[in-house]
Amino acid sequence: GAVVSQHPSRVICKSGTSVKIECRSLDFQATTMFWYRQFPKKSLMLMATSNEGSKATYEQGVEKDKFLINHASLTLSTLTVTSAHPEDSSFYICSARTGGNRNSPLHFGNGTRLTVT
Amino acid sequence: GESVGLHLPTLSVQEGDNSIINCAYSNSASDYFIWYKQESGKGPQFIIDIRSNMDKRQGQRVTVLLNKTVKHLSLQIAATQPGDSAVYFCAETGANSKLTFGKGITLSVRP
Repeated sequence: GAVVSQHPSRVICKSGTSVKIECRSLDFQATTMFWYRQFPKKSLMLMATSNEGSKATYEQGVEKDKFLINHASLTLSTLTVTSAHPEDSSFYICSARTGGNRNSPLHFGNGTRLTVT
Repeated sequence: GESVGLHLPTLSVQEGDNSIINCAYSNSASDYFIWYKQESGKGPQFIIDIRSNMDKRQGQRVTVLLNKTVKHLSLQIAATQPGDSAVYFCAETGANSKLTFGKGITLSVRP
């Protein structure tokens, strides 16, 4: 079945440093990937839509210069949290559709737990 | 918005009983709906989906019901098992292709 892989699963970094999270589609090509953020005991909030070969589309309130997204190939999207601060600590999850149309399910990676000290 | 510290609502069921998890959605333009299961520390796992031209769809041990009139979605789990304990989210998609998640419900299965 479809598999979306995220790396790393956990990362601890110091305030002011940058962290890169990778999201790969392992057995399918994904022209579009989605990045979500989840706080404890809360729902998933869409941060941005990553588009292969073009700029990402960010949701309202998400700083594009802080959360850099690169979708350089059909199987890889990266999210870089720049100059991380403790309030950026969260669970970041990527997803992609195997189907070409919007009426197909998103498959999710297992998330990255970011802790900024 | 939600208050800080507000926990997800919890549904507690006895092992072997049927579970019904409900979700209300607000966007009448949404035409595709999905139920996800999320275990602690993991990403959401697809359970079942339904398009707006249907009102019921069955999977293995799960059934999704859609009532577009009142914008209500439900997930029924037959013969609930301990492994079903998790947080369940409904999600909807409209013309913008973005998947929007509901608030989530914790299902707790009593042995």
